[in-house]
Amino acid sequence: NAGVTQTPKFRILKIGQSMTLQCAQDMNHNYMYWYRQDPGMGLKLIYYSVGAGITDKGEVPNGYNVSRSTTEDFPLRLELAAPSQTSVYFCASSYSGDTPFGQPQHFGDGTRLSIL
Amino acid sequence: AQTVTQSQPEMSVQEAETVTLSCTYDTSESDYYLFWYKQPPSRQMILVIRQEAYKQQNATENRFSVNFQKAAKSFSLKISDSQLGDAAMYFCAYSRDTGTASKLTFGTGTRLQVTL
Repeated sequence: NAGVTQTPKFRILKIGQSMTLQCAQDMNHNYMYWYRQDPGMGLKLIYYSVGAGITDKGEVPNGYNVSRSTTEDFPLRLELAAPSQTSVYFCASSYSGDTPFGQPQHFGDGTRLSIL
Repeated sequence: AQTVTQSQPEMSVQEAETVTLSCTYDTSESDYYLFWYKQPPSRQMILVIRQEAYKQQNATENRFSVNFQKAAKSFSLKISDSQLGDAAMYFCAYSRDTGTASKLTFGTGTRLQVTL
């Protein structure tokens, strides 16, 4: 099983450029998440989705947009990239189950993004 | 807001010895889950162990066990018979019942070194 697949693995952007980070999962999970990890810090939630067509903001959503047209895919869009968005981005998914908040999240390998 | 604190930025353990990583958290909820995730140099986030707050018995997974002290809001991870492959960043994370997806709050991590 591929699990959660993120592309690209590395990217350098110039200030003001835009890009989309791709995330796909093949586990039929309803819930998907985007986190960012700054140096020396834990992960912080950017956006999450509980199913196709349903998304909601996390702790640090400013400067990002998401969409969820299918169960499998959950892309993250950066508009007008800024140096403060230099980070490692992780996509994750989880099963809903009887206790959604207790389900472990399955993570992709991350995308290292530098904005210069 | 919930917070998760890992007060040990770095720890070191000799191979085959035992090490304990500390985690404290702040919450007013009675039902929640706690997790330990491992992040090796490969960057992937891997679930090590999870604990439901309503369960008094401490969770164990092979060489990994937790000491969950609900009243003290403490959730430490014990690694027995440490191996070189245990070297990684370890993150403590908290998830509460929001009626929807599992939105994790992470600590800042503890870097574990394993020496010969």
